[in-house]
Amino acid sequence: KQEVTQIPAALSVPEGENLVLNCSFTDSAIYNLQWFRQDPGKGLTSLLLIQSSQREQTSGRLNASLDKSSGRSTLYIAASQPGDSATYLCAVQTGANNLFFGTGTRLTVIP
Amino acid sequence: NAGVMQNPRHLVRRRGQEARLRCSPMKGHSHVYWYRQLPEEGLKFMVYLQKENIIDESGMPKERFSAEFPKEGPSILRIQQVVRGDSAAYFCASSPGGKYGYTFGSGTRLTVV
Repeated sequence: KQEVTQIPAALSVPEGENLVLNCSFTDSAIYNLQWFRQDPGKGLTSLLLIQSSQREQTSGRLNASLDKSSGRSTLYIAASQPGDSATYLCAVQTGANNLFFGTGTRLTVIP
Repeated sequence: NAGVMQNPRHLVRRRGQEARLRCSPMKGHSHVYWYRQLPEEGLKFMVYLQKENIIDESGMPKERFSAEFPKEGPSILRIQQVVRGDSAAYFCASSPGGKYGYTFGSGTRLTVV
């Protein structure tokens, strides 16, 4: 069974700093990997979707990479802002009905 | 495109009542998934449906919980005789199938008093 791990569980950084969130998964036979953001008491917002054939995706200050063979993905956030404070979830899809979530990284950006 | 629409956003039920949660998928999406998130925990898969069919309900409790996705109208997650332990956020997601990822709704927060 696919297991998804996110490190660190929590991260606190000063505003303006660049940061990296890590995600690892045990089975490399994936369709795709998604990074989501969840604000307290809110739903999930999809940030980036990387297909299994791709190496990275970028959106604004966000860049996600995927190394399928080693079972790793990173989410890089440039020039962090207080508004980036949220929980970031990584999820891998292995079939039409199989989306496995990591436990999340709770990010706090200090003004 | 309004995205995945869930209602109500908040629902309060007394123990023993029924809760009905609705989800309208994104336009063009025929696959619907329900997840539950308990306080301070991750998302747990409950059920996967396509129009008029339950494809996988392996994550849904065998008793009191049911789901449907009729030919017309939204998907419904129904919880009968609610108990305090059912208090959670229930999220619906939809996809067009294949490898295109999921889009999530804003969730329904159920509180059982």
